[in-house]
Amino acid sequence: SQKIEQNSEALNIQEGKTATLTCNYTNYSPAYLQWYRQDPGRGPVFLLLIRENEKEKRKERLKVTFDTTLKQSLFHITASQPADSATYLCALPLGYQGGKLIFGQGTELSVKP
Amino acid sequence: EAQVTQNPRYLITVTGKKLTVTCSQNMNHEYMSWYRQDPGLGLRQIYYSMNVEVTDKGDVPEGYKVSRKEKRNFPLILESPSPNQTSLYFCASSFSGTANQPQHFGDGTRLSIL
Repeated sequence: SQKIEQNSEALNIQEGKTATLTCNYTNYSPAYLQWYRQDPGRGPVFLLLIRENEKEKRKERLKVTFDTTLKQSLFHITASQPADSATYLCALPLGYQGGKLIFGQGTELSVKP
Repeated sequence: EAQVTQNPRYLITVTGKKLTVTCSQNMNHEYMSWYRQDPGLGLRQIYYSMNVEVTDKGDVPEGYKVSRKEKRNFPLILESPSPNQTSLYFCASSFSGTANQPQHFGDGTRLSIL
């Protein structure tokens, strides 16, 4: 069955540095991959979506890459701020027609001032 | 304001007592879905609905029921709750449910079954 793995350990970085989070998947070739942010006690919030034929997507300080050969997506936050501290989830829609979405377990990011 | 609203936000109840968690969205979205989130297991999909009167199983549907009689509402029903259904539940909606559509989540319902 399809599986998604994200860094299980929390990532601690200093303010101003670039945070890089990893999402690896197996047994599937998705047409899209999505990234969400989740704050404690809140629902996930959509950040970025990348298509399989896009190598890279940017939105302000966020950058997502999608390597279909490695079956991996990287999520970067440049010039990180304490307000970026949250858990970040990657998600794979199963099939374009949709319906089913599987999530990674998430990586907790902590940005220290 | 565009939102997905879940009720209740917190519920403590006992084994076997039927309960319903409501979910409503005001974005005229076709697609709605329910997830549960457990430590170490992440978000897992319970049921989803591509449109009114159309529902389908996710990865963990056992012990749950859903119905979609109106576009805006998608209640989650636990007919006979058990302690292993203690979890944090999220409802989500998207425009069409296709892979290129982001999902909008509610703020969650924390359910404790004693």
